[in-house]
Amino acid sequence: EPEVTQTPSHQVTQMGQEVILRCVPISNHLYFYWYRQILGQKVEFLVSFYNNEISEKSEIFDDQFSVERPDGSNFTLKIRSTKLEDSAMYFCASSGRGPYNEQFFGPGTRLTVL
Amino acid sequence: QQPVQSPQAVILREGEDAVINCSSSKALYSVHWYRQKHGEAPVFLMILLKGGEQKGHEKISASFNEKKQQSSLYLTASQLSYSGTYFCGTEPHGSSNTGKLIFGQGTTLQVKP
Repeated sequence: EPEVTQTPSHQVTQMGQEVILRCVPISNHLYFYWYRQILGQKVEFLVSFYNNEISEKSEIFDDQFSVERPDGSNFTLKIRSTKLEDSAMYFCASSGRGPYNEQFFGPGTRLTVL
Repeated sequence: QQPVQSPQAVILREGEDAVINCSSSKALYSVHWYRQKHGEAPVFLMILLKGGEQKGHEKISASFNEKKQQSSLYLTASQLSYSGTYFCGTEPHGSSNTGKLIFGQGTTLQVKP
């Protein structure tokens, strides 16, 4: 069964460093999302992406964050200058049919900022 | 704007039933239910749409009361594998139609032998 994959599974970085989290969505999906989950808390929406552009972003998704689909298969989340409060699990999700349809989540990347 | 889930936590014996509720202060177009086990990704269970359409697993049932802006997830004859945290994710009516999900705080379900 097709699945969303994410790399790395765990990333440790120093405050102020840039990180890139990578995702490979399900191959025929067109709608892509990033969510994050701080340990023990709820899942929070960061950004949605369709047709090579951001369709919506949350207040969390400030100028330090960016997303890109550099080729036909990868979907990346970049954090330019990490802060301690960016430590969280970051989930990529994809959907074949967009709004009002199921989103499939990847296994997540645990980001630890020291 | 965040949906409110109740109860916060449930402990069951195998074979018992449980109901998890998700309430929103906004009119909803859809409600998505996910289960997350510790250290893993949320797994899609079911989606309920305005107008009554449902898509999801056969063994999971849920309801969506559009008037009350509330959804309930029914777990019957619970098994040990049902243990985890259940999240509802909502798409408000009249939203920007981007697929953005707003999640509740989660309900932790523990099924004991």
